[in-house]
Amino acid sequence: EAGVTQFPSHSVIEKGQTVTLRCDPISGHDNLYWYRRVMGKEIKFLLHFVKESKQDESGMPNNRFLAERTGGTYSTLKVQPAELEDSGVYFCASSTQGQSEQFFGPGTRLTVL
Amino acid sequence: GQQVMQIPQYQHVQEGEDFTTYCNSSTTLSNIQWYKQRPGGHPVFLIQLVKSGEVKKQKRLTFQFGEAKKNSSLHITATQTTDVGTYFCAGLWYNAGNMLTFGGGTRLMVKP
Repeated sequence: EAGVTQFPSHSVIEKGQTVTLRCDPISGHDNLYWYRRVMGKEIKFLLHFVKESKQDESGMPNNRFLAERTGGTYSTLKVQPAELEDSGVYFCASSTQGQSEQFFGPGTRLTVL
Repeated sequence: GQQVMQIPQYQHVQEGEDFTTYCNSSTTLSNIQWYKQRPGGHPVFLIQLVKSGEVKKQKRLTFQFGEAKKNSSLHITATQTTDVGTYFCAGLWYNAGNMLTFGGGTRLMVKP
């Protein structure tokens, strides 16, 4: 069974530019989560999709971040415009309905210069 | 907001020594999960504890959940170099959905 995949693995952009991160969850997993780890700090929840619906977006830092999951399959997280403090590793995770265990993807390391 | 505090932040041990990391929440948790992240890797689920006072073992790893469901620990007996990585606890609260709140992690380094 393929795991959670994320693209790209690394992204280096300049402040003010736009970046879109993609996550493909494990097939059949209705729950999809985005997390972020800024250097030296803990992994922080951003948002949770159940299929195509946003179940909880309480962790989204501000309106420069937009997450979508059209069709309830893969998800994208767009940062526009990127700021220096957005640098970090963005993880995606997925799980099945009623399952607490979350399967994490390899992450996208975002560097904003 | 809900937080999980984890200590220590770092731990250096000699191979063969034991290691323990502790997590604490100020409020009662629904359950707590433990993840391991190898250097350069991503968090990998280890275990979930749900019941008050629960103790679970996985080979050399022992996980405990406090009686009040506010604290948890992970103990590794006789560490090996393969245990190197960062261990995270992640808490879930009642009526808070599936949002995991991670502790800061304990980075374990093992000297051969």
